Amino acid sequence: GAVVSQHPSRVICKSGTSVKIECRSLDFQATTMFWYRQFPKQSLMLMATSNEGSKATYEQGVEKDKFLINHASLTLSTLTVTSAHPEDSSFYICSAQAPEGYTFGSGTRLTVV
Amino acid sequence: EDQVTQSPEALRLQEGESSSLNCSYTVSGLRGLFWYRQDPGKGPEFLFTLYSAGEEKEKERLKATLTKKESFLHITAPKPEDSATYLCAVLGGGGSNYKLTFGKGTLLTVNP
Repeated sequence: GAVVSQHPSRVICKSGTSVKIECRSLDFQATTMFWYRQFPKQSLMLMATSNEGSKATYEQGVEKDKFLINHASLTLSTLTVTSAHPEDSSFYICSAQAPEGYTFGSGTRLTVV
Repeated sequence: EDQVTQSPEALRLQEGESSSLNCSYTVSGLRGLFWYRQDPGKGPEFLFTLYSAGEEKEKERLKATLTKKESFLHITAPKPEDSATYLCAVLGGGGSNYKLTFGKGTLLTVNP
């Protein structure tokens, strides 16, 4: 089946620095990818929809200048958390629309200290 | 706005004790209902997609069913390795964005 690879799986960064998370579709082309955030014991909350070759569509309340999304190719989307603060600590998950449905990456645990 | 409510929030079963998880939804034009399994610290793993009322799908000990208002995930004779959070999501027909709306999930624990 379709596989989405997300990297890194865990990252710890200092407050004020930026962190980049990569999401790759390994065996299919993904014109649309999605970025979610998940808090403990909560559901996945969609942050933005990433479209290849165009600007991302952000959900209401998500700061586009803080969460920069780039979808430069049909197999790669990146999420950059800029000037990270402790409240940005969370579990970030990407997803891609594959031929057989929506496939998710393994997630990235971000801890900002 | 699409809404998904899952119940119960948590469920403890003994190995071999069958049960069902519920997913109630309201959506404008259902294009698909999805079930995922999520292990701690991992992304969701796809289980099933259901498209229309009356549809059923099975995979090993799991069976998903769909009505116009809800979906059930039936677990027959569960094993400890079935312990996970089970997520339900819907894809609605409103708007041009193909985005899923998730429920909060049911945390299933199967004791040996």
